[in-house]
Amino acid sequence: GESVGLHLPTLSVQEGDNSIINCAYSNSASDYFIWYKQESGKGPQFIIDIRSNMDKRQGQRVTVLLNKTVKHLSLQIAATQPGDSAVYFCAENSFKADSWGKLQFGAGTQVVVTP
Amino acid sequence: SQTIHQWPATLVQPVGSPLSLECTVEGTSNPNLYWYRQAAGRGLQLLFYSVGIGQISSEVPQNLSASRPQDRQFILSSKKLLLSDSGFYLCAWSVFQTDTQYFGPGTRLTVL
Repeated sequence: GESVGLHLPTLSVQEGDNSIINCAYSNSASDYFIWYKQESGKGPQFIIDIRSNMDKRQGQRVTVLLNKTVKHLSLQIAATQPGDSAVYFCAENSFKADSWGKLQFGAGTQVVVTP
Repeated sequence: SQTIHQWPATLVQPVGSPLSLECTVEGTSNPNLYWYRQAAGRGLQLLFYSVGIGQISSEVPQNLSASRPQDRQFILSSKKLLLSDSGFYLCAWSVFQTDTQYFGPGTRLTVL
């Protein structure tokens, strides 16, 4: 079936370095992608989104890249800080009528920031 | 600004007991509302979604039900809890069905 998944379950990053979290998707009809950050015991927090008519979008210390050719999505965090330690989920949505509003989530990547 | 609330934050219930989790959204009208469950260390599973009062769609067959008695209120219920109902329950809202979903703080349910 169609799915969204992550390459790496755990990413260890030294404080101050840049982090790159990857996500692969298989639904070629996916047209909207979201990255969420979830800290332990809390609900997922929206970080940044990107629509399929774009290949890059930047926020505060974060950049999302979309490569539709290979169905790949990545989240880059600049100058990773201890507060960035969390699980990061990519999610995909489609404007198709039978999947409206049904976000499909990847399994998540645990990011651990070390001093 | 919009805010989403869930309560209780944590709940420990015996098997066979009833359940009622509540979610409310402030600062918006006619939101789309969602209930998700997250097992430990896992992703999110969509349980129910609602596009309006009294309109509930179920994604998976289960021991749970949902209701939307008011525009910004979404309730997750069960008549008899099972051990497998344990998990982290998240409510979310969005403006449009194709839009970003914003999550509440969640309810940690433990069924013993």
